[in-house]
Amino acid sequence: AQTVTQSQPEMSVQEAETVTLSCTYDTSENNYYLFWYKQPPSRQMILVIRQEAYKQQNATENRFSVNFQKAAKSFSLKISDSQLGDTAMYFCAFAPAGNNRKLIWGLGTSLAVNP
Amino acid sequence: EAGVAQSPRYKIIEKRQSVAFWCNPISGHATLYWYQQILGQGPKLLIQFQNNGVVDDSQLPKDRFSAERLKGVDSTLKIQPAKLEDSAVYLCASSLGDVWGETQYFGPGTRLLVL
Repeated sequence: AQTVTQSQPEMSVQEAETVTLSCTYDTSENNYYLFWYKQPPSRQMILVIRQEAYKQQNATENRFSVNFQKAAKSFSLKISDSQLGDTAMYFCAFAPAGNNRKLIWGLGTSLAVNP
Repeated sequence: EAGVAQSPRYKIIEKRQSVAFWCNPISGHATLYWYQQILGQGPKLLIQFQNNGVVDDSQLPKDRFSAERLKGVDSTLKIQPAKLEDSAVYLCASSLGDVWGETQYFGPGTRLLVL
């Protein structure tokens, strides 16, 4: 079965510091896409960053970057210079080829940024 | 660009009653998704439409849930009769086409409480 594991249910970080959220996945597919989505309290889910599995270069988006280790099936999210607005649930998801393009989601990590 | 719209935002009903949720995707988006998100879990795909055709409804409890997408634009998700375990946030998302790995854009969700 294809699964996504986020081993940290809750995390906290001080404002302006750096935090890394972990994500591992299990698949026999060689091609897939990986995503981090953010869901702030009572607000809608938005895409943070997206990685294509065949690209070795790690994706970055302003303060957000990923460490993609394909052999280890690991896809961690690093948030630099954390801001209060980064407080949210963060979901890791992947879309393997041949899965009817369906996203497989982790259970999420609740991140609190403290002033 | 207007985002994905959903209504109502909140709904409280008693078990065995019926309820309907409405979604208006981003203009021009061909693919529409309905997810169920139970507290503490990641989203679970209920049904995926491509224009007004169903692509995937394998996880839709068809004995009580139904969905339609008239004219390939707006969509309605109905639950009849509701059970206590249907209490969740119902998320609607849309994407431009049916391209593998494309970004999904989410609405604010409808929070359902079944008493």
